[in-house]
Amino acid sequence: ETGVTQTPRHLVMGMTNKKSLKCEQHLGHNAMYWYKQSAKKPLELMFVYSLEERVENNSVPSRFSPECPNSSHLFLHLHTLQPEDSALYLCASSLGGHEQFFGPGTRLTVL
Amino acid sequence: AQKVTQAQTEISVVEKEDVTLDCVYETRDTTYYLFWYKQPPSGELVFLIRRNSFDEQNEISGRYSWNFQKSTSSFNFTITASQVVDSAVYFCALRSSGGYQKVTFGIGTKLQVIP
Repeated sequence: ETGVTQTPRHLVMGMTNKKSLKCEQHLGHNAMYWYKQSAKKPLELMFVYSLEERVENNSVPSRFSPECPNSSHLFLHLHTLQPEDSALYLCASSLGGHEQFFGPGTRLTVL
Repeated sequence: AQKVTQAQTEISVVEKEDVTLDCVYETRDTTYYLFWYKQPPSGELVFLIRRNSFDEQNEISGRYSWNFQKSTSSFNFTITASQVVDSAVYFCALRSSGGYQKVTFGIGTKLQVIP
């Protein structure tokens, strides 16, 4: 498998649930990113990992918890989310800080 | 602070027409990078082009061309002889040389090509 993959593609969860989003890249990149995409708003950068170390956390609420166990995998752990967290969550990777390659996204709905 | 403005939120053209998507950026950095991405209905953003701030040469790739002008802080994207498959949301983005975190995306322009 090539490129950047994300699972699941769709997720519906209640406000008290705990779930995780998974991202995997097969491009040999050394940086990985989580973005949130909401309707009518620019892409919001949430977290950046470089060589498995978090280098950026854009004031994201603690109910979102990222994990990067190695340079190919990135997780976003979700707990006690709010309905306004419903959005498309995109994972991306890059070599250094150059162009990013995106996964297909996880469409999250919080009830 | 960085800013990317895509003033056109939605554009509709008839197939085979040419269309230009505008992108205006703001940055205080002298070294930066500009990008265009395409997001088809499937949701996955696809990288189209990267431009360095010190290279103002315009680029053409098939039906796609990009016009980078530092004097007006613009990085416009033109599709020649548009096709239905070009229908997507197009994002312009700016990254400063100072690290991974300074990536700013525009709000996107939704292009609809009508057969």
